[in-house]
Amino acid sequence: QSVLTQPPSVSGAPGQTVTISCTGTSSNIGAGFDVHWYQQLPGTAPKLLIYVNTNRPSGVPDRFSGSKSGTSASLAITGLQAEDEADYYCQSHDSSLSGSLFGGGTKLTVL
Amino acid sequence: QVQLMQSGAELREPGASVRVSCKASGYTFTTYYIHWVRQAPGQGIEWMGWIDPNSGGTYSAQKFQGRVTMSRDTSISTAYMELSRLTSDDAAVYYCARVHRNYGDFGFDPWGQGTRVTVSS
Repeated sequence: QSVLTQPPSVSGAPGQTVTISCTGTSSNIGAGFDVHWYQQLPGTAPKLLIYVNTNRPSGVPDRFSGSKSGTSASLAITGLQAEDEADYYCQSHDSSLSGSLFGGGTKLTVL
Repeated sequence: QVQLMQSGAELREPGASVRVSCKASGYTFTTYYIHWVRQAPGQGIEWMGWIDPNSGGTYSAQKFQGRVTMSRDTSISTAYMELSRLTSDDAAVYYCARVHRNYGDFGFDPWGQGTRVTVSS
């Protein structure tokens, strides 16, 4: 089954650090395919946040970082700010689909 | 700057077809693949397929094969996605997105603003 599993929700207080996990399988992350992360603010299109596991596009604060190990990847957000409240999605290529696969999304609430 | 501008919201009856356009600007249209994804209300993101604007070659997810047609008009730097035999399950916001780099897998950036498709009789 082609699935990237994310927790439905995470929360943290301003200034804290949160981590969002993305668990895949041997046909996607475990096969060595790279992981990308997107931030979707309410009512807007997703925005590329992290590409190829660890890289930030220009303009993305270094409070956002990504990592990948085995069949999983993680997005960490340090120094949480109110403006970080959004939905976050991971993405990877899947060999069974011969295409792209997105995680179910994680809603971040800043308390 | 690099931008993708999509067509406006659409309302279709069940069984009809819808075509969404995606006009690119700020870069050479033929040098970057365009992908199409959709997002049903309150749901996650579902990948539909891609088009190579240079060759016109396409590939769609198995779920949509036979029902989706992706095309492009290089003279106006515009990609199109047509979905036929619509059902209520196709009600969603449809996005086009350019690949971040024109080689390898580097994610999607930028994205169009989205086109809301409503399916209702």
